[in-house]
Amino acid sequence: SQQGEEDPQALSIQEGENATMNCSYKTSINNLQWYRQNSGRGLVHLILIRSNEREKHSGRLRVTLDTSKKSSSLLITASRAADTASYFCATDEGGGFKTIFGAGTRLFVKA
Amino acid sequence: ETGVTQSPTHLIKTRGQQVTLRCSSQSGHNTVSWYQQALGQGPQFIFQYYREEENGRGNFPPRFSGLQFPNYSSELNVNALELDDSALYLCASSKGGQVATYEQYFGPGTRLTVT
Repeated sequence: SQQGEEDPQALSIQEGENATMNCSYKTSINNLQWYRQNSGRGLVHLILIRSNEREKHSGRLRVTLDTSKKSSSLLITASRAADTASYFCATDEGGGFKTIFGAGTRLFVKA
Repeated sequence: ETGVTQSPTHLIKTRGQQVTLRCSSQSGHNTVSWYQQALGQGPQFIFQYYREEENGRGNFPPRFSGLQFPNYSSELNVNALELDDSALYLCASSKGGQVATYEQYFGPGTRLTVT
């Protein structure tokens, strides 16, 4: 089963535009993480936000977390062609002993 | 690029056979987790190991088993392979014993094809 569900499933934008992806989850969490995957290879950790945090920034990335709505969003500002990838949210389950990934958002940035 | 390595890169097996996949953790990490990723899907958590003991498991049958060694490297073993086991298998290392509490460093994966 998948805890996190990303929306949209796919997103196509022009270079320089902002990209926003959303993640919803079902049960209470301690933290939520976002990962990027290029071309079906290994995942790269982007950012971790804990349940007592509402917003976090890392470079061109901004993540928000709304625990009352059980949702999170990832904003990539001033996108580049190199941002083309799949983006996944991941939540903890079972006291932190399991990681549950969503199905991902496929982002395509056109140069 | 992370310090997590996996071998082999690709593997083709026949239904009913057994397979062993290997993973070397990033230096300083004592926790390893394994994931199965079908094409177009998100990774599915198989299990995690901390200090050589399995301490978290997803919805996978017992024919999926693992080992973690004193140097924190790990193996994933799958017995009685089925066609649906064809997928990308990813391992990830982290610190702290609770895989979902810390950021995970992923290897490049092993692509398994079962025919």
